[in-house]
Amino acid sequence: LAKTTQPISMDSYEGQEVNITCSHNNIATNDYITWYQQFPSQGPRFIIQGYKTKVTNEVASLFIPADRKSSTLSLPRVSLSDTAVYYCLVGDVSYNTDKLIFGTGTRLQVFP
Amino acid sequence: NAGVTQTPKFQVLKTGQSMTLQCAQDMNHEYMSWYRQDPGMGLRLIHYSVGAGITDQGEVPNGYNVSRSTTEDFPLRLLSAAPSQTSVYFCASSYGRRYEQYFGPGTRLTVT
Repeated sequence: LAKTTQPISMDSYEGQEVNITCSHNNIATNDYITWYQQFPSQGPRFIIQGYKTKVTNEVASLFIPADRKSSTLSLPRVSLSDTAVYYCLVGDVSYNTDKLIFGTGTRLQVFP
Repeated sequence: NAGVTQTPKFQVLKTGQSMTLQCAQDMNHEYMSWYRQDPGMGLRLIHYSVGAGITDQGEVPNGYNVSRSTTEDFPLRLLSAAPSQTSVYFCASSYGRRYEQYFGPGTRLTVT
């Protein structure tokens, strides 16, 4: 399973774009990249998932370069409610070996 | 559609006691998993299941047992509680191959 490395914490201000980068140097061919958001005292919530290039949904964008050894979660125009911990996960899509390993995540603090 | 439910929300045990944490989902998901989250830490995978009758170990399986007799339920048993098992426990489910997991609200367990 590919190990991921993220910054421990980041600060931002309301209205700014936030980019959180995750390194996964030993990503395998079958691995997908997934990001989750967790608020205090709640379970994680799925944000976005991708395999290569760029994926965008109503919440965020995910940028994955051609070598796939890193990925960047982009949150446009953050608000105070985006203050949370963000986890990057990399996992095999093989049905029989499905596992989901969380790291320590990136704690994002958004200030007024 | 209740999603993923967990009971109890809070539990205090004495060292050596056993108990079962309940998890149920009504989304007909094949994949279910249990995580523990210690203060200030990420989630660590305890056990997971890819379908009824099939379970496997995660990162930290020692001291825990699981079974999956139905698609809906995935209970986690603590065999002999230890203070090191004080944590918040999350149950999650998904369709399996992809990683959009739905998490329950968590069970906060204290072992004294």
